[in-house]
Amino acid sequence: AQTVTQSQPEMSVQEAETVTLSCTYDTSESDYYLFWYKQPPSRQMILVIRQEAYKQQNATENRFSVNFQKAAKSFSLKISDSQLGDAAMYFCAYITGSSNTGKLIFGQGTTLQVKP
Amino acid sequence: DAGITQSPRHKVTETGTPVTLRCHQTENHRYMYWYRQDPGHGLRLIHYSYGVKDTDKGEVSDGYSVSRSKTEDFLLTLESATSSQTSVYFCAINSDREGDTQYFGPGTRLTVL
Repeated sequence: AQTVTQSQPEMSVQEAETVTLSCTYDTSESDYYLFWYKQPPSRQMILVIRQEAYKQQNATENRFSVNFQKAAKSFSLKISDSQLGDAAMYFCAYITGSSNTGKLIFGQGTTLQVKP
Repeated sequence: DAGITQSPRHKVTETGTPVTLRCHQTENHRYMYWYRQDPGHGLRLIHYSYGVKDTDKGEVSDGYSVSRSKTEDFLLTLESATSSQTSVYFCAINSDREGDTQYFGPGTRLTVL
């Protein structure tokens, strides 16, 4: 069975600095997608970034980028120039690409605090 | 915004009462999902639907049932609510156009006393 692990329950960063959130996953499949979702205090789940496993190039969305290491099954999120609005819980998630069911598997989450 | 709404947004109920949560989408997505979120567990899949009247169980389906009589609506029912079902419930849709990317509704906070 596939699993997703976020080993950092809490992280903090100074405003304008860079922080990296860790995620590892376990799967025997070769075709899958990985995601980072942000959940601010409003509780809304917001997609931050998406990575296809078949792509070697790391995904980037403005200040957010990933370090995707397929062999190591690692998928970390880097937030550059951190802003107060980045404070939230961040979830790493996995979905198999070989099934039509589309069942997302989530990590336990990392709470990010941004200090002014 | 994937055009997903959930109702009610908050509900307090008593143990043993039936509860129905509604998820409504406006973009004709085929796949819809119900998740629950609890501290220390992230989000866990309860049930999902792959079309009208086509549903299947997820990881934590015991005590829940679902129905989908129209493409746009996916209902989650707790037949007899228990305190262990106190949680935040999220509905999601699967965007086939974006490689199985899921977008979530705003969530429903359910408290069972």
